[in-house]
Amino acid sequence: EAGVAQSPRYKIIEKRQSVAFWCNPISGHATLYWYQQILGQGPKLLIQFQNNGVVDDSQLPKDRFSAERLKGVDSTLKIQPAKLEDSAVYLCASSARGSSGEKLFFGSGTQLSVL
Amino acid sequence: AQSVTQPDIHITVSEGASLELRCNYSYGATPYLFWYVQSPGQGLQLLLKYFSGDTLVQGIKGFEAEFKRSQSSFNLRKPSVHWSDAAEYFCAVGLYGGATNKLIFGTGTLLAVQP
Repeated sequence: EAGVAQSPRYKIIEKRQSVAFWCNPISGHATLYWYQQILGQGPKLLIQFQNNGVVDDSQLPKDRFSAERLKGVDSTLKIQPAKLEDSAVYLCASSARGSSGEKLFFGSGTQLSVL
Repeated sequence: AQSVTQPDIHITVSEGASLELRCNYSYGATPYLFWYVQSPGQGLQLLLKYFSGDTLVQGIKGFEAEFKRSQSSFNLRKPSVHWSDAAEYFCAVGLYGGATNKLIFGTGTLLAVQP
């Protein structure tokens, strides 16, 4: 079974530039998550999708971050414009139904450096 | 507010020695608790989880964890550490309500294994 795919693996940009990350979840998984992991911290949920609808985006900085999952399969997370504090690893995860306690499968992440 | 505390930022053990990683949580109801491991450049992998029932939970790779409600703890243990166990370990509590399926992670404990 293929895992959660993410690209690019690394990205270096200057502040105020824009950047986009892509995630392809495990086939058949209805629920998709984007987490932000800042160095020295645990991952923090940015947004959760159930199929193509947003379930929870309470911690997404909506003035600069946006995410979409148009066909309920792969997803894109965008930052525009980027700030220095956005430097982090962005992890995508998926689960089959998003039900309580269900196992999440994580991708390897995209490491973003904002200079 | 719900939170997870991992008091040890960095731990070094000798190969073959026993290991205990500490985790304390703050949550009003009976928690769903998880331990994840993250190797360099890899995504998070689930080691084990606790929902209810037996408070001693067995996981993959020879790990176990014990839920102690009176101490609000969920410590991870392994009787004999292998060099391949060197990684970062995250404790997490699951928050569920409606369609929300959110994991709150601790800050992680980085494990180094000496030969």
